[in-house]
Amino acid sequence: AQKVTQAQTEISVVEKEDVTLDCVYETRDTTYYLFWYKQPPSGELVFLIRRNSFDEQNEISGRYSWNFQKSTSSFNFTITASQVVDSAVYFCALSEVGNNNAGNMLTFGGGTRLMVKP
Amino acid sequence: KAGVTQTPRYLIKTRGQQVTLSCSPISGHRSVSWYQQTPGQGLQFLFEYFSETQRNKGNFPGRFSGRQFSNSRSEMNVSTLELGDSALYLCASSNGGGDTQYFGPGTRLTVL
Repeated sequence: AQKVTQAQTEISVVEKEDVTLDCVYETRDTTYYLFWYKQPPSGELVFLIRRNSFDEQNEISGRYSWNFQKSTSSFNFTITASQVVDSAVYFCALSEVGNNNAGNMLTFGGGTRLMVKP
Repeated sequence: KAGVTQTPRYLIKTRGQQVTLSCSPISGHRSVSWYQQTPGQGLQFLFEYFSETQRNKGNFPGRFSGRQFSNSRSEMNVSTLELGDSALYLCASSNGGGDTQYFGPGTRLTVL
């Protein structure tokens, strides 16, 4: 069965610090997708990134970057020069596609609460 | 394009009652998934509907049910409410098959 672990439940940093949120996953499928979502206090989950299991290229989007390593089953998320507006709960999630292409179930990690202090 | 909408945003019910939550997906999306979020259990998958058919179901009792209409709008129903059903219920829409799921603002259900 699939599983996602976010070992850091809470991280506190001072503005402008870099911070890395860890995500480790377990799956038996060879085809799967990994996601990161941000949940601000309003509650809505905001999509950040989607990667498929065949694309291990790292990605950078502004201050955000993601490091996907299949060898260690990890998909870590780094925020460079953090800002107060980055304060939120961040979720890593896994979607297995499987042979029946019914893979639209997201398995979420427990989330990491990031607090960025001014 | 309008995002995913959910109604109502807040609900207060008492034990034993039933409740129906509604979700309108992004135009063109045929898959709607429902998730329950609680402080203790985190985010858990309830079920997914694709073209009016339930395609996946999570590990929830039969009191939790849903349906999808021909216009892809979806409803979920919880019967015989229990205190533990108090949660944020999130709906997400996508094109299916591992595609990105976009979430609505959620319905916060409180059971007294």
